[in-house]
Amino acid sequence: QVQLQESGPGLVKPSETLSLTCTVSGGSVTSYYWSWIRQPPGRGLEWIGLVYNNGNTNYNPSLKSRVTISVDTSKNQFSLKLSSVTAADTAVYYCARRKGNGGDDYFDYWGQGTLVTVSS
Amino acid sequence: DIQMTQSPSSLSASVGDRVTITCRASQSIGRYLNWYQQKPGKAPNLLIYATSILQSGVPSRFSGSESGTDFTLTISSLQPEDFATYYCQQSYSTPFTFGPGTKVHIK
Repeated sequence: QVQLQESGPGLVKPSETLSLTCTVSGGSVTSYYWSWIRQPPGRGLEWIGLVYNNGNTNYNPSLKSRVTISVDTSKNQFSLKLSSVTAADTAVYYCARRKGNGGDDYFDYWGQGTLVTVSS
Repeated sequence: DIQMTQSPSSLSASVGDRVTITCRASQSIGRYLNWYQQKPGKAPNLLIYATSILQSGVPSRFSGSESGTDFTLTISSLQPEDFATYYCQQSYSTPFTFGPGTKVHIK
């Protein structure tokens, strides 16, 4: 059974960089594509981006200038960095596995989510 | 970006009711539409992918269909554990986008 677990600071100061890691167990990060998705409190879901198993990335244009997603195959982890954060970046951040290809794909496994608050 | 809308934004229903939620895409997305269920404080859970394919382990009372750019999630007989928020998501193109959600309340 695949499991994903987010980790990282729960509080980040404005203008600093948010850094989160997702540890994958029960499967290999080299076998699928991996995404970050966030949800501001009381609101809907926003896709942040994904990293392919070859390390290539695809980001949401709305965040592209501030986002870096990378994969560490030696640790079976992938990571999110979001720079120059503001209060608008306060959200529950989820990591998820993307299964499928060519449009016929979906997020089938999700981490439990981690709340990141941006505040001084 | 492909915009996703959902209707209604919320609904009240009783156990045993048939419930229908509609999702509309701003352009054609073929069959590339997924449905998720989210309960408070929990991660979304995949229910249906590619419009109508039931994810493994999901009860058969959930079903999905489409007509043009309109997609429908149907719960044939609402159960107590189905009270949650439901999101549609298009996987036709990036950036992947979600609908705003439909919250199903207990009547």
